[in-house]
Amino acid sequence: ELKVEQNPLFLSMQEGKNYTIYCNYSTTSDRLYWYRQDPGKSLESLFVLLSNGAVKQEGRLMASLDTKARLSTLHITAAVHDLSATYFCAPQRDDKIIFGKGTRLHILP
Amino acid sequence: EPEVTQTPSHQVTQMGQEVILRCVPISNHLYFYWYRQILGQKVEFLVSFYNNEISEKSEIFDDQFSVERPDGSNFTLKIRSTKLEDSAMYFCASKTEGNTEAFFGQGTRLTVV
Repeated sequence: ELKVEQNPLFLSMQEGKNYTIYCNYSTTSDRLYWYRQDPGKSLESLFVLLSNGAVKQEGRLMASLDTKARLSTLHITAAVHDLSATYFCAPQRDDKIIFGKGTRLHILP
Repeated sequence: EPEVTQTPSHQVTQMGQEVILRCVPISNHLYFYWYRQILGQKVEFLVSFYNNEISEKSEIFDDQFSVERPDGSNFTLKIRSTKLEDSAMYFCASKTEGNTEAFFGQGTRLTVV
């Protein structure tokens, strides 16, 4: 059974700082998603990572995937307040997507 | 760009009432899913549906829940007798066959009072 662990679950950081969110999963997966969710809102797809070593970047966010370590990271560079949200990783295996608990990111001005 | 659409965006219902949440998956997709997110918590898998039958369901998906694809376009989630703890955001998702990307709808916020 696919299990997902995200850490940290809560992160408060100052603007301008860098930080990384980690996502470990228990079995091989076909792909891995990162989503952003603002309070009370839907899931916004950020990245879809397909293969070992995949790296994708959009603005201040960069996601990577290491399938051998079963680890994905979401790196935030020079954080700004607008990035405050909850971030979920979600590996997909056998047509099923399982979500991590999410990382609530709070960026202080 | 094709998208998964869900209606209504917000539904309020009284405890014990039946509720049907509707989803229109992307037209050529074959796999359909429902997920649930209780406020402030993780997104939980409820059920997957393929070839007109449930392919997998979680322990949350008990006899109070059912899914149906009544026509060629809609995919519904029915909760027979709602409880307060059914209050959550419900997300529908769909994908094509094989190792392909799944797409999520905007969600329906269900409030049981």
